[in-house]
Amino acid sequence: AQKVTQAQTEISVVEKEDVTLDCVYETRDTTYYLFWYKQPPSGELVFLIRRNSFDEQNEISGRYSWNFQKSTSSFNFTITASQVVDSAVYFCASPGGSQGNLIFGKGTKLSVKP
Amino acid sequence: GAVVSQHPSRVICKSGTSVKIECRSLDFQATTMFWYRQFPKKSLMLMATSNEGSKATYEQGVEKDKFLINHASLTLSTLTVTSAHPEDSSFYICSASYPVRDPWEQYFGPGTRLTVT
Repeated sequence: AQKVTQAQTEISVVEKEDVTLDCVYETRDTTYYLFWYKQPPSGELVFLIRRNSFDEQNEISGRYSWNFQKSTSSFNFTITASQVVDSAVYFCASPGGSQGNLIFGKGTKLSVKP
Repeated sequence: GAVVSQHPSRVICKSGTSVKIECRSLDFQATTMFWYRQFPKKSLMLMATSNEGSKATYEQGVEKDKFLINHASLTLSTLTVTSAHPEDSSFYICSASYPVRDPWEQYFGPGTRLTVT
């Protein structure tokens, strides 16, 4: 995708609440990939998931789930029963740069309060 | 597998000095490495693409004489910030591509936090 938009700049929730992080993409490609990364305060990027454009099945991994909808060009990420350790900045990304690099959204800072 | 390291993880230097940051792929050969910069509370922006054995490709607005990139081997790329100034203070992250294994995947280093005083 050539553009990735994360409209939510910051979200604050109380522990155990569910939270959804939005990601909308724009692409001219018929085949593409979408990624989600977590960046805790330490700064290191933690890979969460990669989906390709052929697979629209929703993915669930523990408390994490992803909803990929080509009709709305969205790839949203839901954390169920949030925990304080989920506090981080979350980035949606796609390899759409001219050099094959990842294009990142602006990120959503999630704060989970006890 | 597919581990990327960066060194140093944190560096503080005085204005006017040069700093070298290393990015290594520890268990695979990376034909392409990417250098990203992240300012506080901002997203990651590509600075340059480093291909082994050839000159790096810089993004628009990135000064190639200031940010020297060398990709001398398939496991090492270096970014040298020359004559650093406080505005160069940032978080620098590299990633490596391993096309033989997966052309779509990038493996990120842990990042280097540069502070220029």
